[in-house]
Amino acid sequence: SAVISQKPSRDICQRGTSLTIQCQVDSQVTMMFWYRQQPGQSLTLIATANQGSEATYESGFVIDKFPISRPNLTFSTLTVSNMSPEDSSIYLCSVEKVLNTEAFFGQGTRLTVV
Amino acid sequence: SQQGEEDPQALSIQEGENATMNCSYKTSINNLQWYRQNSGRGLVHLILIRSNEREKHSGRLRVTLDTSKKSSSLLITASRAADTASYFCATDQTSGSRLTFGEGTQLTVNP
Repeated sequence: SAVISQKPSRDICQRGTSLTIQCQVDSQVTMMFWYRQQPGQSLTLIATANQGSEATYESGFVIDKFPISRPNLTFSTLTVSNMSPEDSSIYLCSVEKVLNTEAFFGQGTRLTVV
Repeated sequence: SQQGEEDPQALSIQEGENATMNCSYKTSINNLQWYRQNSGRGLVHLILIRSNEREKHSGRLRVTLDTSKKSSSLLITASRAADTASYFCATDQTSGSRLTFGEGTQLTVNP
């Protein structure tokens, strides 16, 4: 298993500002992922955070808007840049010990942009 | 479009009743998983069923998989108020893509 500490758990931010979300795992993992969950909807993968190289972004998500850091095998950050109300969502980090098997999730960051 | 689609979108039952949620998908898969999410928090893994399996049990949970119909069901027996949550299926396709989550079913178990 894996225990993930994600913070902040929630924040209310002004439009035009940026928020950095942190994800700390209790063990080394190769695969870390960032998801967005818009109100009342399912999870959408933003990107895969790769250690030692740039993140791999899914269609519709770009590095300028969602820069990701992965300095080591236990930590990653996601920044939501130049926020607008449309960015109000829950952001979740996730890890998998083995690709496409059980995924472990942080508790999520509930972001409200006003 | 979403790989996984679930129905019903919302389900309300009385404590002690069984709850059945369904998930359909479009392409061939390796595995199908079910997750639970409480009040917009992190997801918790419930069960994984492989494409060559037809049924799997875990406690009060029973999952079936019909690859010919590209569908799965999650049955929760003898439901409890604490089972109130959103339930999502997630699939990974044989093409090697990442986990894709369904739209989810919001289950409410009334005491």
